[in-house]
Amino acid sequence: QKEVEQNSGPLSVPEGAIASLNCTYSDRGSQSFFWYRQYSGKSPELIMSIYSNGDKEDGRFTAQLNKASQYVSLLIRDSQPSDSATYLCAVEGSNFGNEKLTFGTGTRLTIIP
Amino acid sequence: DADVTQTPRNRITKTGKRIMLECSQTKGHDRMYWYRQDPGLGLRLIYYSFDVKDINKGEISDGYSVSRQAQAKFSLSLESAIPNQTALYFCATSDFRVQSTGELFFGEGSRLTVL
Repeated sequence: QKEVEQNSGPLSVPEGAIASLNCTYSDRGSQSFFWYRQYSGKSPELIMSIYSNGDKEDGRFTAQLNKASQYVSLLIRDSQPSDSATYLCAVEGSNFGNEKLTFGTGTRLTIIP
Repeated sequence: DADVTQTPRNRITKTGKRIMLECSQTKGHDRMYWYRQDPGLGLRLIYYSFDVKDINKGEISDGYSVSRQAQAKFSLSLESAIPNQTALYFCATSDFRVQSTGELFFGEGSRLTVL
């Protein structure tokens, strides 16, 4: 079983709709969760971090965390063509003093104009 | 100028050659990382360093070595390159003062092809 799993996609969403990206993880002790966006041929950039159960909103982006279900998601409202990218879920391990980030394989999102 | 700079950006080499990828940063971060990215496999950690005197292996360190020459410089070496080391390599940094070291800042990447 992979430590961090994402649907590889591709996921196609019409412009203006809500894009929903999902991620599950295996380390029950994990406390820190991240979403990175990676445009084709570019480096990943951090767009959201979440540390507590519930929702965290930043502009058109909402991260949702459910530690009991070991599930984290990213919602993108009013999707724009510029949101077309690969989205990487990352989870920080629970090994205190030696925390490392494990990435999922990413979900490729395409926003259709 | 980029805060995290990688050189070279592209390199084609032959099997058995020694290759060094260099990373320098102006962010003042103490923690530095080397990742490789392969299609379908995502980002995998090769080595990381939490300060100049601290070097740690990641999940795929075999065939690689690193050197932390200064707080701002972290180099990755392939002593004898092989074709399955063909990949996109990223250097990243993080700041221990933030809530989590998972907030990474990536360089622009170094694409390595081993023939």
